[in-house]
Amino acid sequence: GAVVSQHPSWVICKSGTSVKIECRSLDFQATTMFWYRQFPKQSLMLMATSNEGSKATYEQGVEKDKFLINHASLTLSTLTVTSAHPEDSSFYICSARAPPTNEKLFFGSGTQLSVL
Amino acid sequence: AQSVTQLGSHVSVSEGALVLLRCNYSSSVPPYLFWYVQYPNQGLQLLLKYTTGATLVKGINGFEAEFKKSETSFHLTKPSAHMSDAAEYFCAVSGGYQKVTFGTGTKLQVIP
Repeated sequence: GAVVSQHPSWVICKSGTSVKIECRSLDFQATTMFWYRQFPKQSLMLMATSNEGSKATYEQGVEKDKFLINHASLTLSTLTVTSAHPEDSSFYICSARAPPTNEKLFFGSGTQLSVL
Repeated sequence: AQSVTQLGSHVSVSEGALVLLRCNYSSSVPPYLFWYVQYPNQGLQLLLKYTTGATLVKGINGFEAEFKKSETSFHLTKPSAHMSDAAEYFCAVSGGYQKVTFGTGTKLQVIP
């Protein structure tokens, strides 16, 4: 089946720095990718929908300038957490729709971000 | 380490019949377990979750799931399928450190 690769799987950074997370579709072209955030004991929260070649669509309450999403190619979407703070510490996971129907959803393995 | 196995990538049921979607998990710590549904052209929606307490969890749209530690299972059921239940269902497990791992999904088809 389709594979979505997400890197890094774990990152620790200092407060105020920026962190980039990559999400790659390895064997298919993903016109749409999704970025989620997992809060402890809660369900996933959709942060944004990333469409290749266009601006991401952010969910209400998600800061666009804080969480920069770029979908420059059909196989790569990136999430950059800018000026990270401890409250940004969380688990981030991406997913992508796979052709031909673009209905099937595949998930990356996720990134655990810890901001000190 | 944690993992999720969903048995059956496709399940077909008749309208009005019982829905049973299977999920087995492994986790080195007490797990939090989730079922999500994805309708065509929409994002994930949480159906239900188990964190602690009562092992039988009721969710939206008449779905429920039972956490069985001895069987490491968290199967999703609904007594009577509706046409509107046709969707893809994902089981997920979260252990320590918030990491969540998804199953590969089960596509439910409801036959009139």
